[in-house]
Amino acid sequence: AQRVTQPEKLLSVFKGAPVELKCNYSYSGSPELFWYVQYSRQRLQLLLRHISRESIKGFTADLNKGETSFHLKKPFAQEEDSAMYYCAPRRAGGFKTIFGAGTRLFVKA
Amino acid sequence: GAVVSQHPSRVICKSGTSVKIECRSLDFQATTMFWYRQFPKQSLMLMATSNEGSKATYEQGVEKDKFLINHASLTLSTLTVTSAHPEDSSFYICSAPPATGEGKLFFGSGTQLSVL
Repeated sequence: AQRVTQPEKLLSVFKGAPVELKCNYSYSGSPELFWYVQYSRQRLQLLLRHISRESIKGFTADLNKGETSFHLKKPFAQEEDSAMYYCAPRRAGGFKTIFGAGTRLFVKA
Repeated sequence: GAVVSQHPSRVICKSGTSVKIECRSLDFQATTMFWYRQFPKQSLMLMATSNEGSKATYEQGVEKDKFLINHASLTLSTLTVTSAHPEDSSFYICSAPPATGEGKLFFGSGTQLSVL
């Protein structure tokens, strides 16, 4: 069965502190992994995807196939990073995407 | 970037009536669109895949006769909640992947449905 787990519902850190949002997945085949973000009163939007190996707004995520994890990291959190973050795998070559339960990140001043 | 427009943003209806929600890709064509449902403080649950020119594909547990999906053109998909009941009250979100978007999804702003 396809499953994605984000164990933390809420993560609260101080500004400037490192942050790691965890994501583990169970997915047949070799999925592609995405992180989506939803800021307050905005629609859901793509943050980054593993195939691009990019850094967006200081966030990075490494796909660990051995641990089936795709944790999202940022060395120094900013207040504007406060948002809801969703880990989302999809089948390689397809478009159908499932979403984890989400982690709400709250960055305190 | 690609834009997905979803209307209405909010609808209140009486129990037993039907409600139609539209999802449009404004600057790209989408042969596939996705409909999600989100309960308060919960994740997005995929309801169905809307396919242009063919029947929608529903996820397990989703009643296809309750949630009618029509993908009339390459830029429009509609979700009709038929004979709505209070338990259908939820936040409905559509999304579409541009063909050249490398799989990433663009989302509508969502529709808050309240059934009285």
